[in-house]
Amino acid sequence: GQNIDQPTEMTATEGAIVQINCTYQTSGFNGLFWYQQHAGEAPTFLSYNVLDGLEEKGRFSSFLSRSKGYSYLLLKELQMKDSASYLCAAPLRGSTLGRLYFGRGTQLTVWP
Amino acid sequence: EAQVTQNPRYLITVTGKKLTVTCSQNMNHEYMSWYRQDPGLGLRQIYYSMNVEVTDKGDVPEGYKVSRKEKRNFPLILESPSPNQTSLYFCASSLSWAQVQPQHFGDGTRLSIL
Repeated sequence: GQNIDQPTEMTATEGAIVQINCTYQTSGFNGLFWYQQHAGEAPTFLSYNVLDGLEEKGRFSSFLSRSKGYSYLLLKELQMKDSASYLCAAPLRGSTLGRLYFGRGTQLTVWP
Repeated sequence: EAQVTQNPRYLITVTGKKLTVTCSQNMNHEYMSWYRQDPGLGLRQIYYSMNVEVTDKGDVPEGYKVSRKEKRNFPLILESPSPNQTSLYFCASSLSWAQVQPQHFGDGTRLSIL
């Protein structure tokens, strides 16, 4: 079963800020990834957190708390083109080296 | 251009007819992986390879085989495809697992098994 949880859907308006949460079971921790996937396309890498705290990359930031098994992706100044599915991914507790688990994705719709 | 190339992009075939989906990367990456993506289930790992001649099962390996004879290629083989293997498949690669680099994904292969 799934060991990474994220909301299924979110909506927001252009110019707004949205936070997409992800909770997971910790492993011998090697970090947590966020990917963006537009409909019909391949996932593309957004961010990677291995230490606690906030990593900022332009309009996108990602936060990690290893003790809480919690991460979020923060999208600022939303644009229509940000409408996509956002996936978090991590190795999980007890998983074999090389195994990577993805959440089911959060479908973000940005309205004008 | 650095890329992961999958072929074919689309395939409709019938139950039991063996097929191979090829995956090739030109980035000298050690780690390669196959995923399937189904509505409501997200991306699930089928098989992965840490390096040449080293492969291991992911979350959903049943009905699939892989090989890693060369660093650049990681084909996915369906010996006897069944309708429940109808899905969108992605191949991905990264520099290595030890350094946990982000994965680069191919454009996907949409398989329909009738």
